[in-house]
Amino acid sequence: GAVVSQHPSWVICKSGTSVKIECRSLDFQATTMFWYRQFPKQSLMLMATSNEGSKATYEQGVEKDKFLINHASLTLSTLTVTSAHPEDSSFYICSARGRWNQPQHFGDGTRLSIL
Amino acid sequence: GQQLNQSPQSMFIQEGEDVSMNCTSSSIFNTWLWYKQDPGEGPVLLIALYKAGELTSNGRLTAQFGITRKDSFLNISASIPSDVGIYFCAGLIYNFNKFYFGSGTKLNVKP
Repeated sequence: GAVVSQHPSWVICKSGTSVKIECRSLDFQATTMFWYRQFPKQSLMLMATSNEGSKATYEQGVEKDKFLINHASLTLSTLTVTSAHPEDSSFYICSARGRWNQPQHFGDGTRLSIL
Repeated sequence: GQQLNQSPQSMFIQEGEDVSMNCTSSSIFNTWLWYKQDPGEGPVLLIALYKAGELTSNGRLTAQFGITRKDSFLNISASIPSDVGIYFCAGLIYNFNKFYFGSGTKLNVKP
């Protein structure tokens, strides 16, 4: 089946650090990739949608200068949390999709803890 | 944005019991997906539904695409402890570029 790899799985760093999370589709070409944030015991909150080679579309309330998304190829998207602060601590999950109506497949998530 | 109402929010059942959960909306969807999420991991796709009325099984799991295209349900038969987790529905509307997710159903199974 479709496999999405997300790295790293856990990050602990100091306030003010920028953190990059990678999302790769291993066995299919991901036309679209999605980045979600999930708080404990809550549903997935879509942050942004990115299509390969074009700028990401951010959901309302998500700061694009804070959460930089790059979808440089059909198999790789990155999310960079710039100058992270404790309130950015969360579980970040990426997902990838081939054609528009195909299911999204999720990575295993990245637990980000900012001290 | 589009809203999916997923219920129940949580369930506590005995091992061996059957489980049913559903998602409803005022919008018409073209695709329904059901995912399971274990703690600390990303959601895993269980079943995908593409046509109104479609009934699809995956082992002890059965899901249906509602005939009105505004709802979907997931049934789990003869539950076992490893069924514990959070189940999410997701719906896709034609011409929109993203799936909308329900708020999740947390399933607890008592051995």
